[in-house]
Amino acid sequence: EPEVTQTPSHQVTQMGQEVILRCVPISNHLYFYWYRQILGQKVEFLVSFYNNEISEKSEIFDDQFSVERPDGSNFTLKIRSTKLEDSAMYFCASTITDTQYFGPGTRLTVL
Amino acid sequence: SQKIEQNSEALNIQEGKTATLTCNYTNYSPAYLQWYRQDPGRGPVFLLLIRENEKEKRKERLKVTFDTTLKQSLFHITASQPADSATYLCALASWRQGGKLIFGQGTELSVKP
Repeated sequence: EPEVTQTPSHQVTQMGQEVILRCVPISNHLYFYWYRQILGQKVEFLVSFYNNEISEKSEIFDDQFSVERPDGSNFTLKIRSTKLEDSAMYFCASTITDTQYFGPGTRLTVL
Repeated sequence: SQKIEQNSEALNIQEGKTATLTCNYTNYSPAYLQWYRQDPGRGPVFLLLIRENEKEKRKERLKVTFDTTLKQSLFHITASQPADSATYLCALASWRQGGKLIFGQGTELSVKP
């Protein structure tokens, strides 16, 4: 069964450094998302992407964040200058219409 | 403001019983609602989707109801097993296609043998 994959599974970085989180959505899906979950809190929407552009973003998704679909398979989230409060699990999701399928997540730890 | 609330307390039940989880929302008109299972340190796993014009959906031991008048969804697991122990998330979407999901905080279910 096709699934969403994410790399790396765990990323440790120093405050102020740039990180790129990578995702491979399910191949025939059209909509792509990033969510995050701070430890012990609810899953929060960051951004959605359709037809090679951002379709919606949350207040969390400020100028420090960017997304890209550099080729036909990868979908990336870049955080330009990480802060301590960016420490969280980051989930990629994709859908063809409504049911969103999530990846296993990348645990980002900012020191 | 929009609010989604699930059972605030963890739910502990005996194996074989039916678990019922609640999702209530306010100031929101979802096009559809989804239930996910999440194990510690893992991503949400899709279980069921129910649309605004549907009252009930079933899949094996799972059943979900959706009452847009009460603004409530109930999620049932019948003949529960210890392997059903996990956190269950309710998520609402306002668009019919491609819209973001807004999640509840989840209900932790523990099924004792």
